Amino acid sequence: NAGVMQNPRHLVRRRGQEARLRCSPMKGHSHVYWYRQLPEEGLKFMVYLQKENIIDESGMPKERFSAEFPKEGPSILRIQQVVRGDSAAYFCASSPRGPDTGELFFGEGSRLTVL
Amino acid sequence: LAKTTQPISMDSYEGQEVNITCSHNNIATNDYITWYQQFPSQGPRFIIQGYKTKVTNEVASLFIPADRKSSTLSLPRVSLSDTAVYYCLVVSSGGYQKVTFGTGTKLQVIP
Repeated sequence: NAGVMQNPRHLVRRRGQEARLRCSPMKGHSHVYWYRQLPEEGLKFMVYLQKENIIDESGMPKERFSAEFPKEGPSILRIQQVVRGDSAAYFCASSPRGPDTGELFFGEGSRLTVL
Repeated sequence: LAKTTQPISMDSYEGQEVNITCSHNNIATNDYITWYQQFPSQGPRFIIQGYKTKVTNEVASLFIPADRKSSTLSLPRVSLSDTAVYYCLVVSSGGYQKVTFGTGTKLQVIP
């Protein structure tokens, strides 16, 4: 059973470009979470999705950021018109049930660098 | 949502037992205490979870006193490969609450 797969592992974008980060949850997991981590800081919750639905996006910036988890295919975190402050590691996690179990399975992260 | 407080960093020599304490004074009845480990350049990994008293697995032990206002993660005989950031979380089983991470405790194991 493969773990949570994230790609790309590293992404370089220039200011104003778009970044798309993909996350394939573990098999059988229908709950997906995105977190952002700045260097030397903890993980900041961004969004929680369950197949085709956004359950909690309270950690998402109001502009330029969006997330989806379609019926088929990976979850996508999209950042439009990137700025230098978007440079960070973005981690995706999945779980077979909701977050009340406390056990989330994380991917290796996607590291975004904005030039 | 119960707030957690843990030391920012700790150093330990190889072979020693390491205890990392986390305080969560406003923990609720439905809350569990959960610990994650994160190695550099990797995603966090769940290591242990408990509600009260003591829980032990192949990686660590978790001690939770009767009032549950704190918890202690115990790592026996640490090695260099245990150098990581350790996060203490309080997770609610009574209705939806997002899983939030603090800044964690950065453990440095010294040869």
